[in-house]
This record gives sequence, C-alpha cells and structure tokens, in this order.
Amino acid sequence: QVQLQESGPGLVKPSQTLSLTCTVSGGSISSSNYYWSWIRQPAGKGLEWIGRIYTSGGSNYNPSLKSRVTISVDTSNNQFSLKLSSVTAADTAIYYCARGFVGATHGFDYWGQGTLVTVSS
Amino acid sequence: QSALTQPRSVSGSPGQSVTISCTGTSSAFGGYNYVSWYQHHPGKAPKLMIYDVGKRPSGVPDRFSGSKSGNTASLTISGLQAEDEADYYCCSYAGSYTVFGGGTKLTVL
Repeated sequence: QVQLQESGPGLVKPSQTLSLTCTVSGGSISSSNYYWSWIRQPAGKGLEWIGRIYTSGGSNYNPSLKSRVTISVDTSNNQFSLKLSSVTAADTAIYYCARGFVGATHGFDYWGQGTLVTVSS
Repeated sequence: QSALTQPRSVSGSPGQSVTISCTGTSSAFGGYNYVSWYQHHPGKAPKLMIYDVGKRPSGVPDRFSGSKSGNTASLTISGLQAEDEADYYCCSYAGSYTVFGGGTKLTVL
C-alpha cells in the first residue's frame, strides 16, 4: 500500500521560505507511471494546486505561485519537496502531497494526511 | 477566482440522488477529458472518486458516476448515504497546469 507523509515546520515567519518534504513508502518515487504534486487548502477555502514534478525532472507550477515555488525530487530517499519563498499570511494552509497518474489518464490516487503550516511572526 | 465553478452546497435525503456540476472555461479543461472528483471529509485526506470524467477507481461504489458535456462536468451520487456527507471537488488536468473547483458541500438530510 502506497503511503505519503508530509513533514516540515508548522510555523514560518513572514517573508521567509516554507519548506516541506513528502516521504513516499510502499512504492518507488522513480516509477515513470506517476508524477508528484503539492496541493494546499487555506482555512475555510477550497483546494489549490501548487505544482508537480516528474521523476524525469520536468515540472509545472500554478501560474499564480510560479515565481515563488520550487518542487524537487530526491529519488535516493524516496522523497519530494516543496519550497515556497517570501511567504505571507495568505500562505497559511494545510499542505498536502499527492501522487498523480502519467499518460493517457489523470487523477491523484494517493494523498498524504496533510500538514498545517501557519505563517506568523 | 477558480476557473472551475461548483455550487457552494447541495443536499439530499438518504436514498435520493444528487448531481454536482463543475462548469469551466474551455481553457480550464484544455481540450482534455481529464476531469477527476474528490471526496473530502474535514481532517482527512481527499479521496479520488472519479477520474477521466467517468472512471471509478477500485473500491469506489458504483453509486458514484461522472459525466461531461461541453464545458460542464458532473458528479452524480445515487442512493445517498449518511457517510456521503462531505465536500466534493472537481479537478481538471489541462496539460501544463491543473485546477480545482471551489468545492461543494454535500449535506445528507
């Protein structure tokens, strides 16, 4: 059974960089059948796609966040990471990592439980 | 503002059917039929219910079905059960980006 688990600081100061890691177990992050995404949910609001990375190295980001986001993958540790720079209170949210299909089909079939990140001084 | 529009809320009684719509611009769907739907109970991870417009992952009851016509995708839940009460999100993969709808709260009366 594939499992994803987010980890990282729960509190980040304004203007600093938010850094989260997603550890994948029960399957290889190097599989060419999948890509790896970050999705967030601010309190009281809906889901927002942040971006994704393919293990080939390619990535796509939400245009509204693109200038501040970097997603990277560490195949040796079966992990992928999110960095969001210059954070503000608007970046306070539950952050989820998820696995997406590659190819002629699409969906996020496995998700982490989510981790709350609060931006506050 | 989300490029996929869902009703804020829908409701139905046990045993009834409800349909949740997801209307987008043509760019939101990107010419693909890659619409997926997620059930989200607060405090839990979202769960994939439908992918590629109308396909069900293994383990999802056949009470859940999806369709798409033009720029509107729909999720229909038949034979409503109390445990179906949750937030539901549509999602479109449009090539270089992915977008979620604003979410719909389903209340089972």
